[in-house]
Amino acid sequence: DTAVSQTPKYLVTQMGNDKSIKCEQNLGHDTMYWYKQDSKKFLKIMFSYNNKELIINETVPNRFSPKSPDKAHLNLHINSLELGDSAVYFCASSRFGQGLVEQYFGPGTRLTVT
Amino acid sequence: AQKVTQAQTEISVVEKEDVTLDCVYETRDTTYYLFWYKQPPSGELVFLIRRNSFDEQNEISGRYSWNFQKSTSSFNFTITASQVVDSAVYFCALSEREGNQFYFGTGTSLTVIP
Repeated sequence: DTAVSQTPKYLVTQMGNDKSIKCEQNLGHDTMYWYKQDSKKFLKIMFSYNNKELIINETVPNRFSPKSPDKAHLNLHINSLELGDSAVYFCASSRFGQGLVEQYFGPGTRLTVT
Repeated sequence: AQKVTQAQTEISVVEKEDVTLDCVYETRDTTYYLFWYKQPPSGELVFLIRRNSFDEQNEISGRYSWNFQKSTSSFNFTITASQVVDSAVYFCALSEREGNQFYFGTGTSLTVIP
């Protein structure tokens, strides 16, 4: 059984479109994250939710909006896609506490904006 | 300032050689966690190890070993008798007790040549 799953795995779309990436975890974790990995493999955190509440919101364009319907899901919606949004997006989850414990990552979604 | 520094961008070794991946971190917290993740060519991020700041014992898991030294703020990772399957990008990461996120290093790309 997949612990952290993301759909779709690949997403090719044109500039200006709106798209969503879904993430689900079945680990019973209460914290979920979105990361962006650029072409140089640099991992940058975008958002973090704990028990459906936003706890980290790094400097990302407001075209990116996370939505957490429940503790097991954290979806990422992107409006008006731009070429620079092309990257691999990873969802992750962890238990929350003083000092974060290890995060478990989904397989990633490779977004290509043409 | 970068909280986690992986100075080695790319390393190539011949199969069966030992290789050490360096990680230097920066924090003012007395309680923190350090992590290593592996990202093989298939793209997923795989958790390898977590170490808390109060446990400086070195750890060995098969061909993998980790050397944590608080005096030099380093958490180095050694692969003994490297194999082609070890080819991947390896990330070191830090989480602090105060705060809610991981700080990833920029990764070290390891290529093991058969």
